[in-house]
Amino acid sequence: DVKVTQSSRYLVKRTGEKVFLECVQDMDHENMFWYRQDPGLGLRLIYFSYDVKMKEKGDIPEGYSVSREKKERFSLILESASTNQTSMYLCASSPATGLSYQPQHFGDGTRLSIL
Amino acid sequence: AQTVTQSQPEMSVQEAETVTLSCTYDTSENNYYLFWYKQPPSRQMILVIRQEAYKQQNATENRFSVNFQKAAKSFSLKISDSQLGDTAMYFCAFAPLRDDKIIFGKGTRLHILP
Repeated sequence: DVKVTQSSRYLVKRTGEKVFLECVQDMDHENMFWYRQDPGLGLRLIYFSYDVKMKEKGDIPEGYSVSREKKERFSLILESASTNQTSMYLCASSPATGLSYQPQHFGDGTRLSIL
Repeated sequence: AQTVTQSQPEMSVQEAETVTLSCTYDTSENNYYLFWYKQPPSRQMILVIRQEAYKQQNATENRFSVNFQKAAKSFSLKISDSQLGDTAMYFCAFAPLRDDKIIFGKGTRLHILP
């Protein structure tokens, strides 16, 4: 089974702090994703990476950055945390789309609170 | 722009009943994939069922089936003989062919009542 592991289930940080959310997958997937999940808004894509050191902005990249130095690890960085970044963050991974679509596999999520 | 709309924010049904969750989408693509994902309370999101747009036959996975109406851009999920473990948030999602990104709807929170 594919395993996508997010480093923290719950995290509390203060306004202005630099926050790192880590995600590791064990299936050698090319693609990795960071989503934000808010009630009534569903999942919104923050950033996407299709290869090591490659990244692409999603729908809501403002206030976030990402790092992918190794294939299995994809980090989400809040440069200066703000209260409106309090949310559930989901990481996902998938193989590169070839002849048939491969579904995304999700981690358990990190519930981040910014005080 | 491609969008996915789930018109039912929340639903409740009695155990053993059949329930249908609605989803519509908007796209100019002819070939694409559609999905239903399930997110149980405090648990991981998992894929329930998927449909390739070029297939006319509706996908089925045990108690879960879809009603795919391509012309109407409709993709509903039917859960038969619902069980308490079906209580979850359900997301409808769309992916264009050969695109690694998928677009999610806002979700329907489903409660199965004992």
